[in-house]
Amino acid sequence: AQKITQTQPGMFVQEKEAVTLDCTYDTSDPSYGLFWYKQPSSGEMIFLIYQGSYDQQNATEGRYSLNFQKARKSANLVISASQLGDSAMYFCAMREGFVSGGYNKLIFGAGTRLAVHP
Amino acid sequence: ETGVTQTPRHLVMGMTNKKSLKCEQHLGHNAMYWYKQSAKKPLELMFVYSLEERVENNSVPSRFSPECPNSSHLFLHLHTLQPEDSALYLCASSQENEGAINTGELFFGEGSRLTVL
Repeated sequence: AQKITQTQPGMFVQEKEAVTLDCTYDTSDPSYGLFWYKQPSSGEMIFLIYQGSYDQQNATEGRYSLNFQKARKSANLVISASQLGDSAMYFCAMREGFVSGGYNKLIFGAGTRLAVHP
Repeated sequence: ETGVTQTPRHLVMGMTNKKSLKCEQHLGHNAMYWYKQSAKKPLELMFVYSLEERVENNSVPSRFSPECPNSSHLFLHLHTLQPEDSALYLCASSQENEGAINTGELFFGEGSRLTVL
């Protein structure tokens, strides 16, 4: 079974509008972390936002917010006021358990390609 | 330079060639990773080094050979590759303190795009 599922291969949004990118996850570990990364055409993966499984509040970072619904095992990324520079691939990722062995093993979803139109 | 730097950015090689990918991190991190990103597939973790010791090898074929000479450098030696090995190879680093609750995000380089003919 897939650990991280991103069901939207591609999304379009008008500049200045908000957009939600879906992510569902599967784990039986009560301790986990959820991440969103952006990958522009240059190839670099850019960390956007993090949500811990015990965090009471939804994470926010500037125009990015994470809609964390623990019971539904979903961690959707919301981008407000989209900009042309937001056009990129977006990946949801999960770490199961706490950091162990001095490193952090992330499992990634297949990604969603977002296109922002002027 | 800052962050994670990967060279070369692009590499074309024949199936009988031997080449190496290089990664250097300037962040003082203690863990480094190789990921493979193929078209239409999720990122696949290949190797993890923590404190210069290999701690993960996710069933990667022996034609891929990692090397971590120190905490700042990571190499991926390539030998007798197949066309299906063509992909973007991403290096990442992180700073982990065992037992600590931290976000643990990985910092990635821009990748080395490999084409095997």
